[in-house]
Amino acid sequence: DAKTTQPNSMESNEEEPVHLPCNHSTISGTDYIHWYRQLPSQGPEYVIHGLTSNVNNRMASLAIAEDRKSSTLILHRATLRDAAVYYCILRSSGAGSYQLTFGKGTKLSVIP
Amino acid sequence: DAGITQSPRYKITETGRQVTLMCHQTWSHSYMFWYRQDLGHGLRLIYYSAAADITDKGEVPDGYVVSRSKTENFPLTLESATRSQTSVYFCASRQGQEAFFGQGTRLTVV
Repeated sequence: DAKTTQPNSMESNEEEPVHLPCNHSTISGTDYIHWYRQLPSQGPEYVIHGLTSNVNNRMASLAIAEDRKSSTLILHRATLRDAAVYYCILRSSGAGSYQLTFGKGTKLSVIP
Repeated sequence: DAGITQSPRYKITETGRQVTLMCHQTWSHSYMFWYRQDLGHGLRLIYYSAAADITDKGEVPDGYVVSRSKTENFPLTLESATRSQTSVYFCASRQGQEAFFGQGTRLTVV
């Protein structure tokens, strides 16, 4: 699986936007970019995914660079409940690529 | 309730005992997974299943056995528990692009 690089930790003030970066310079054309988050003492939770175009959903936005070598998860207005570890994961759409491979992720702290 | 449930939530067992962690999903998703999460290692895949009666090894399968006789159930068995298997175990299911994780089972082997 192609590798992703994320900062170990980030801080944000409550009610401010948060931009979580992810580098994936070895991404292949069939790799989807997925974001999951894990709140304390809970299982990971799907946030968003995309292939080439920017994506929006009720939780967040995903901005994908034109060359696809990096992406940014955007939380438009951080709340205390958004404090979690955020994982950027590449998953191939090719045959046999079933699982998600988790890295260390970015631990987001939200300051009241 | 719809979703994915794991049982038990907490388990303490002795070294050498067999223990089974249960995972049940209500959606009939084809794919199911077992991960373990340890400090310093993050989430690692133990086994996965693409459908009933189809299972395959992940990154850390040694000491574990799985079965999938029904689509909705994917139990994970530790045949002879060791202290190194003390961990938090997460089950997940996936259909399409989104995976759903259970709340986890915290297993302590003493």
